[in-house]
Amino acid sequence: QKEVEQDPGPLSVPEGAIVSLNCTYSNSAFQYFMWYRQYSRKGPELLMYTYSSGNKEDGRFTAQVDKSSKYISLFIRDSQPSDSATYLCAMSTNSNSGYALNFGKGTSLLVTP
Amino acid sequence: GAGVSQSPSNKVTEKGKDVELRCDPISGHTALYWYRQSLGQGLEFLIYFQGNSAPDKSGLPSDRFSAERTGGSVSTLTIQRTQQEDSAVYLCASSFVGPPNYGYTFGSGTRLTVV
Repeated sequence: QKEVEQDPGPLSVPEGAIVSLNCTYSNSAFQYFMWYRQYSRKGPELLMYTYSSGNKEDGRFTAQVDKSSKYISLFIRDSQPSDSATYLCAMSTNSNSGYALNFGKGTSLLVTP
Repeated sequence: GAGVSQSPSNKVTEKGKDVELRCDPISGHTALYWYRQSLGQGLEFLIYFQGNSAPDKSGLPSDRFSAERTGGSVSTLTIQRTQQEDSAVYLCASSFVGPPNYGYTFGSGTRLTVV
């Protein structure tokens, strides 16, 4: 079993909908929690970063981390067709591998006009 | 440069050949990471460099894989005697030393196809 589980989708929503993405994990040592967005044939780009538990909001995006449940979420409000991409959750702690990221498999999101 | 540069962007090779993948990190980034992204496995960590040193090589899938970094800058990932299961996108990321919000930036990757 992978350390990070993420439903691959695909997820299709109409423009303007609220999107909810989530991941679960098993390693309680993870301290850093990220959401990346990846467009086709591009590298992942950091969307949201959270240290430890709590909520973080940035524009239309809200990230939530619940360490007690080992569960993280990303909410996208007023979704736009340009939000169509693969969303990857990632987690990290400091180790011999630096801050190597442990990724979920990614959720493919399509926002239709 | 402005971002992490990887070359080649695409590589098709015959089974059994050796390949070299190159990563040019962002100037000043001392940490460098290699990842592999394949359809079945998602994004997997391969190896980490702090400067020119790789403290932990256990993420490399087999002894056919090796990596080096010189001058605290350019890194190469070498795959010897390539197999079809090596087909994947190989991604490089660099950052300042510190947590993942310290400028952790990915390149666009090298898409490797072994035929």
